[in-house]
This record gives sequence, structure tokens and C-alpha cells, in this order.
Amino acid sequence: DQQVKQNSPSLSVQEGRISILNCDYTNSMFDYFLWYKKYPAEGPTFLISISSIKDKNEDGRFTVFLNKSAKHLSLHIVPSQPGDSAVYFCAASLFTGKLIFGQGTTLQVKP
Amino acid sequence: DVKVTQSSRYLVKRTGEKVFLECVQDMDHENMFWYRQDPGLGLRLIYFSYDVKMKEKGDIPEGYSVSREKKERFSLILESASTNQTSMYLCASKKEYSNQPQHFGDGTRLSIL
Repeated sequence: DQQVKQNSPSLSVQEGRISILNCDYTNSMFDYFLWYKKYPAEGPTFLISISSIKDKNEDGRFTVFLNKSAKHLSLHIVPSQPGDSAVYFCAASLFTGKLIFGQGTTLQVKP
Repeated sequence: DVKVTQSSRYLVKRTGEKVFLECVQDMDHENMFWYRQDPGLGLRLIYFSYDVKMKEKGDIPEGYSVSREKKERFSLILESASTNQTSMYLCASKKEYSNQPQHFGDGTRLSIL
């Protein structure tokens, strides 16, 4: 049973445009959500997070939105750059510190 | 900066061998984790450890065991390697009782022939 789902395996956008990556979850007990970025042959690196008590968090070009009623979060990248091309994983945390990951979305930003 | 180091980037082993994957972190983190990453499945938790000599099963522990004798080191053991354990293995660490993110190593690409 997949508790965290990223339904789009891939996304392609033009440089300078907005990239929107989506993630859905089923467990209302999740209290913290994170986005990781992964390049080939490297480990995932932390990008941005949001607590369940907030609905938005911004860090430079990256903004994460949380809609608790819909059990949905999204990552917005504006403007997108070719260096943003990577696999993006959303993850949800239980109070134990354990993370549940989605399947990942491969973002390609075309110059 | 947190550094999580996995002993091998690439490893090739034979079916039935006992395989050890080592992970070391330098930030005095209490929590450590082992995942495997497979296409279309994301990262799946194999085992985790809250502290020295403590271990908990994750979502897919079958065929694996772990060892945490020292705080900085967390080892994953494939008792008798099988071809379906060919995968990318990722180690992570985290400070206990915090919403700080998990920090990952660069992974070990393991092939079982």
C-alpha cells in the first residue's frame, strides 16, 4: 500500500518557465513533508520541507505548498533552470523520524 | 557539513555470497537508515537504528540484517545474496527528535550475478 504517491513519472519544461511537481499521501498522521533532489550516481540531497501546521514554505526559487484537506503537496520551481534536471522525491515523516518516499518524478528542463 | 560515507560506490558479488555494505557518518547522529532504490519504486526502507545496538525493521527487511556497534557506523548485511537484491543501496543519518532532514550518502550500486 503506497502511502505517498507521485503519479507523474516524468515532467518536461522549458527553461525559465515554472515546474510543478505533485505528491499525494494517504496517512493523516504525517507531520512533516520533505522534497529531495537526486542526480544520477549521487545520493538524494535535501531541498525544502514543510511542517503540517503550515500551508506554504519558500526558499529562493523553490516553494512547497501543502493542502491537508486534499492530502496533497506540490513543489514549484520558478524560474526553472537546466541544472534543475534531476529526479525529485517527496517524502512524508512520522513522529518516529521514519520517512516514507514517493516513487520519484524525473524533471527535464530544456534550454 | 554532514558527511555520510558509503564504503563502495560499485560492488559485484555472486549469488549465495554474504555481502557487507558499510556506512559511516561524522555528525554524531543518533538515527541511521538503510534504503534501496529501484526504478518506479522510489526509496524503500530496509532497516533503521535509533541508536547504538538498536535496530528496527523497515518495510522490506527480508534477506537483510544490520549491525550498529558504534554510533558512527551502520552496516547492512545480505546474508545470502540473490539476484533480486541487485539495486542501489543508500544510507542516511539524522539527529534524533528533530525535524532536521535525513542526510544521504552517495549510494552503493550492487550487482548480484
